[in-house]
Amino acid sequence: GAVVSQHPSRVICKSGTSVKIECRSLDFQATTMFWYRQFPKKSLMLMATSNEGSKATYEQGVEKDKFLINHASLTLSTLTVTSAHPEDSSFYICSARRPGLAGGSSYNEQFFGPGTRLTVL
Amino acid sequence: GNSVTQMEGPVTLSEEAFLTINCTYTATGYPSLFWYVQYPGEGLQLLLKATKADDKGSNKGFEATYRKETTSFHLEKGSVQVSDSAVYFCALSNSGAGSYQLTFGKGTKLSVIP
Repeated sequence: GAVVSQHPSRVICKSGTSVKIECRSLDFQATTMFWYRQFPKKSLMLMATSNEGSKATYEQGVEKDKFLINHASLTLSTLTVTSAHPEDSSFYICSARRPGLAGGSSYNEQFFGPGTRLTVL
Repeated sequence: GNSVTQMEGPVTLSEEAFLTINCTYTATGYPSLFWYVQYPGEGLQLLLKATKADDKGSNKGFEATYRKETTSFHLEKGSVQVSDSAVYFCALSNSGAGSYQLTFGKGTKLSVIP
């Protein structure tokens, strides 16, 4: 199978500090990773698409200067929440797309990390 | 644009009851369809998928059939267990557009009581 890890699983920080969340694909190379935010009892909101070696593409309404994304290698993407505020408290989930043969059954399958619970005090 | 509509729930069933969670979609082209499951405090796990019309995805007793004529992908299970309690998300991916992004429904919380 394809495994995606996230670190840390939980983080509590003070308002105004920055927090970095790592997303790693452990057994495959992911040219594309996605970052989602999940509010309580709500669906996942796509924040940005991260492509290895290029700038991330942010969804409308997501502040790129606040949520810094770096996709430094084919197995690692990081999300840094800068100058965190209590309203940034949420569950952040990443996913990694495993490339496959065009038209194959795994062509567009994404594998999700276990999520990171961020609490900003 | 793409969108997914699923019954919001919550759904509460007794053990061994029949489960149906409805999901309909709007998309251009020929999307792939997915059901993901999220257990409490965890990330999403792929439950099943179907990549073309009339395909049936199945896993762990769950099934869903890709119905292009009704643009639906309803999730069913004949006999639910307490361990099936989770939130279920219907999703589509329109890789023909080149983005591979997933569009999710709002999720349906299922609680199965003994």
